[in-house]
Amino acid sequence: NAGVTQTPKFQVLKTGQSMTLQCAQDMNHNSMYWYRQDPGMGLRLIYYSASEGTTDKGEVPNGYNVSRLNKREFSLRLESAAPSQTSVYFCASSRVDGLNEQFFGPGTRLTVL
Amino acid sequence: GDSVTQMEGPVTLSEEAFLTINCTYTATGYPSLFWYVQYPGEGLQLLLKATKADDKGSNKGFEATYRKETTSFHLEKGSVQVSDSAVYFCALSDQTGANNLFFGTGTRLTVIP
Repeated sequence: NAGVTQTPKFQVLKTGQSMTLQCAQDMNHNSMYWYRQDPGMGLRLIYYSASEGTTDKGEVPNGYNVSRLNKREFSLRLESAAPSQTSVYFCASSRVDGLNEQFFGPGTRLTVL
Repeated sequence: GDSVTQMEGPVTLSEEAFLTINCTYTATGYPSLFWYVQYPGEGLQLLLKATKADDKGSNKGFEATYRKETTSFHLEKGSVQVSDSAVYFCALSDQTGANNLFFGTGTRLTVIP
């Protein structure tokens, strides 16, 4: 049982380049989330998917797009990377049954030059 | 809107000292409350949770009590160990179908031998 996995672990981009961060979970969870973590700001929600086939904006969605490919996978795409998107990105998943616990992946450290 | 205010860090303690990390929240309704821990280079892990007023969450010697009257969920441990060195995040769930979490800014704890 791998839990939540993310690829890649590290990435360096130049301004204007695009990339997709991949996330997968093997816990049969309905909901999945993408957060970014910046120093002194905690974690902020970018996008979430409450269930397969649905996605919604979180607190900081600008510059990002997401795809809920199936129940297991939830990808985050940066179409034209900017230095302000330098951050650590975490994917999470949860089973929406009232327990409300989210399980997190190990993170992707992204640097945009 | 919903929010969490967390004690500023960093906090440095000697081994076996008593730990308190303060957390207060603002929310409509009756949110669930969480403490997550992030060890160096890893994703967040759930440490403990409480889902209703006066509930006490506990795990690994850590405790926190959901105080509705003071809108607080302070984290405590009677005797910290070097292995407790990590960043601690207080969070609340907005209780919607999407199960979104709102995080505090995090408190870095360093325990010295």
